Amino acid sequence: DIQMTQSPSTLSASVGDRVTITCRASQSISSWLAWYQQKLGKAPKLLIYKASNLESGVPSRFSGSGSGTEFTLTISSLQPDDFATYYCQQYNTYSGLTFGGGTKVEIK
Amino acid sequence: EVQLLESGGGLVQPGGSLRLSCAASGFTFSNYAMSWVRQAPGKGLEWVSAISGSGGSTYYADSVKGRFTISRDNSKNTLYLQMNSLRAEDTAVHYCARALTHCTNGVCYSGAYYFDYWGQGTLVTVSS
Repeated sequence: DIQMTQSPSTLSASVGDRVTITCRASQSISSWLAWYQQKLGKAPKLLIYKASNLESGVPSRFSGSGSGTEFTLTISSLQPDDFATYYCQQYNTYSGLTFGGGTKVEIK
Repeated sequence: EVQLLESGGGLVQPGGSLRLSCAASGFTFSNYAMSWVRQAPGKGLEWVSAISGSGGSTYYADSVKGRFTISRDNSKNTLYLQMNSLRAEDTAVHYCARALTHCTNGVCYSGAYYFDYWGQGTLVTVSS
């Protein structure tokens, strides 16, 4: 299986900060990467697919970039509603779909 | 509006069985692959299984292969997960999710899914 490694595991930030989360794949996955947001006790929500495509209805302050093995999720100006845990997921080919370990964004 | 509603979770003893259901509405169910993803208490997300829109192709994580069976009834707009030989490590909230794949030059990669809609989840607890 392809391993997905996210960093940092926890991030403390303030409202208005620019936040960047990194996801690294153990082998190339082209651009087949999705990002999800999960709030406590809730189901995950799709934010970005194909590395940089914003899902409909997701605020434009969220953006994704990268290809191959290194990817980033950026929140340009952190809002109170953005404090949550974020996961990346690769869907390159069927070799076992895998998620990163998650990044918890906390209030500083 | 797309809605996915899981049911069937509960407390079961190690070695026991449970069948989860996911009732779908708001979209043409047979046109979409579906999947199960789980989350152990306080842990991250783990993909469990997926099935193509027709039900003809199924996929499993190594951790559940041979113990779990995914199926669907397109006439009832319902997804299922039959879980046998349950272990303590299967304790988790189990989510059903609508699955999308990518297509390049007319070739679509069945099994290579990401998930655009999720249910609220159903908790499975395996304990004696």
